[in-house]
Amino acid sequence: KAGVTQTPRYLIKTRGQQVTLSCSPISGHRSVSWYQQTPGQGLQFLFEYFSETQRNKGNFPGRFSGRQFSNSRSEMNVSTLELGDSALYLCASSLGGQGHTEAFFGQGTRLTVV
Amino acid sequence: AQSVSQHNHHVILSEAASLELGCNYSYGGTVNLFWYVQYPGQHLQLLLKYFSGDPLVKGIKGFEAEFIKSKFSFNLRKPSVQWSDTAEYFCAVSMYSGGGADGLTFGKGTHLIIQP
Repeated sequence: KAGVTQTPRYLIKTRGQQVTLSCSPISGHRSVSWYQQTPGQGLQFLFEYFSETQRNKGNFPGRFSGRQFSNSRSEMNVSTLELGDSALYLCASSLGGQGHTEAFFGQGTRLTVV
Repeated sequence: AQSVSQHNHHVILSEAASLELGCNYSYGGTVNLFWYVQYPGQHLQLLLKYFSGDPLVKGIKGFEAEFIKSKFSFNLRKPSVQWSDTAEYFCAVSMYSGGGADGLTFGKGTHLIIQP
């Protein structure tokens, strides 16, 4: 079955702009999580959506937001971009119900802010 | 907040050598434990996971890990590495409550290089 699909793969934006990233989870998965990966901070959890509701949130400013649609696809938005937002943004999907589940990651979107 | 420590940031081994990568976490409650691998140019892939039960878990490609609750550790092992094991390895933990698991907290990663 198809894996987690993230679009676009690469983005270049200017400081102050906003950006929207998209994630299509594995079919049947209802949970989508977003992570930021940078050389300095490593992999950091942004937030998780389950059944169109934000269920968990990491320690990121309000400029980072997301949403999930009824088909479980998710978007992540970053407003007022800063140079430090340059990173690889990873999306992960999981079944997400009660109980232990594992996350499957997409290839990521490489965002460069100039 | 929970944290995950990986002791070795860079490891260089020769083919056929044995591997052990250390991972310690800080949370005292129920946890889910994972090792992920990122091969050059590829996405993160799950190597193995521990939810409950036998503390010695086996994963793909001959990897295994042992959960030692008293030491808050989940070390990754492989008896004989191959050149194709060259990759970045990440230990990850999520806290678990009755309502489900939190997001993953990752260690900083270990860059493993296997010399032929």
